[in-house]
Amino acid sequence: QKEVEQDPGPLSVPEGAIVSLNCTYSNSAFQYFMWYRQYSRKGPELLMYTYSSGNKEDGRFTAQVDKSSKYISLFIRDSQPSDSATYLCAMKDTNAGKSTFGDGTTLTVKP
Amino acid sequence: EAQVTQNPRYLITVTGKKLTVTCSQNMNHEYMSWYRQDPGLGLRQIYYSMNVEVTDKGDVPEGYKVSRKEKRNFPLILESPSPNQTSLYFCASSPRGPYEKLFFGSGTQLSVL
Repeated sequence: QKEVEQDPGPLSVPEGAIVSLNCTYSNSAFQYFMWYRQYSRKGPELLMYTYSSGNKEDGRFTAQVDKSSKYISLFIRDSQPSDSATYLCAMKDTNAGKSTFGDGTTLTVKP
Repeated sequence: EAQVTQNPRYLITVTGKKLTVTCSQNMNHEYMSWYRQDPGLGLRQIYYSMNVEVTDKGDVPEGYKVSRKEKRNFPLILESPSPNQTSLYFCASSPRGPYEKLFFGSGTQLSVL
């Protein structure tokens, strides 16, 4: 069983929709939670970064972490065609020299 | 411009022919890492380096070598490539460690025939 599970999609929504992307994990030692966005033929870029439980908002993006349920989410409000990409969740604990990534969810926002 | 530069972007080679993928960052980052990305398997870490002359295995190190002789460079070496190493490879760096934002290169698409 993978440490991080992410629904691969693909997910297709109309422009303006609210999008919810989710990951579950099994390692209770994870303390840092990230969301990366990856456009086609490009390297991932960090979108959101949270430590421990709670919510974090940045413009149209909100990251939520529920450590009791081992569940994290990324919400995108008023989605735009430019949000079309693959979204990767990533996690790490305080002692690890690496991040553990989900497989990614491919999102398409149609005009 | 702050960036992580990988070369080449695309590489086709044959089984057993040694190759090196270069990675260089101009941000004076201490931490550097290599990942491979495969459909259905996500991003998996190959090797990482916390600083010059310090390297450690990631999740899938078999068949790969790395070196960190200078802070800015972290080449990935495949001594005897095999078809199962056909993949999309990414180099990444961060200022001091894996707890910080990773900056990724644009990727190297490798095909081993």
